[in-house]
Amino acid sequence: GAGVSQSPSNKVTEKGKDVELRCDPISGHTALYWYRQSLGQGLEFLIYFQGNSAPDKSGLPSDRFSAERTGGSVSTLTIQRTQQEDSAVYLCASSSFRGPGQPQHFGDGTRLSIL
Amino acid sequence: DQQVKQNSPSLSVQEGRISILNCDYTNSMFDYFLWYKKYPAEGPTFLISISSIKDKNEDGRFTVFLNKSAKHLSLHIVPSQPGDSAVYFCAASAVGGSQGNLIFGKGTKLSVKP
Repeated sequence: GAGVSQSPSNKVTEKGKDVELRCDPISGHTALYWYRQSLGQGLEFLIYFQGNSAPDKSGLPSDRFSAERTGGSVSTLTIQRTQQEDSAVYLCASSSFRGPGQPQHFGDGTRLSIL
Repeated sequence: DQQVKQNSPSLSVQEGRISILNCDYTNSMFDYFLWYKKYPAEGPTFLISISSIKDKNEDGRFTVFLNKSAKHLSLHIVPSQPGDSAVYFCAASAVGGSQGNLIFGKGTKLSVKP
């Protein structure tokens, strides 16, 4: 498809395990963002990639969270030693360039549940 | 400290009438505002945006109004249709170190009754 693709759509894991979430952005989009939405909350910015520049990690809540983007395309968000408060929907978005007001195109998210 | 606030968690309107969704912000550095629509189990979809140099932007049934002095914006949908039933998120971005990152409100769930 032409949209942002995320996998898995759902993930249930035990507290303390590591998880990897994948995002495949729209082809040609240079900017890629990760957000998360906890129950009853708005979307919270996590991390941003733009081309080959160093990522903006200012939204990562702890050092258990990391992300990489290989070859300027697919991105993986990794959460180590998961905690119950990590349960949320993790959304990936991409845009053709980064700038104020540039619409971001979102995937359908990964619903992460930590038991 | 919420920088973007949507104080109404839900709104119900009759089909054909106007829906007005409100959003307030606190950061005067915000220079772009966007509205996203979200259906259950789907990602948000961009709806309409407005630059801080404008006070109105219209696209079909959707109009966004910006009042900079009041730090308030609103999305008007007219006429409302049952298919408009969704959660609407207001988002803002600012020039600066986090340029392009969006700050979202908590959303307003709109229900349009036939």
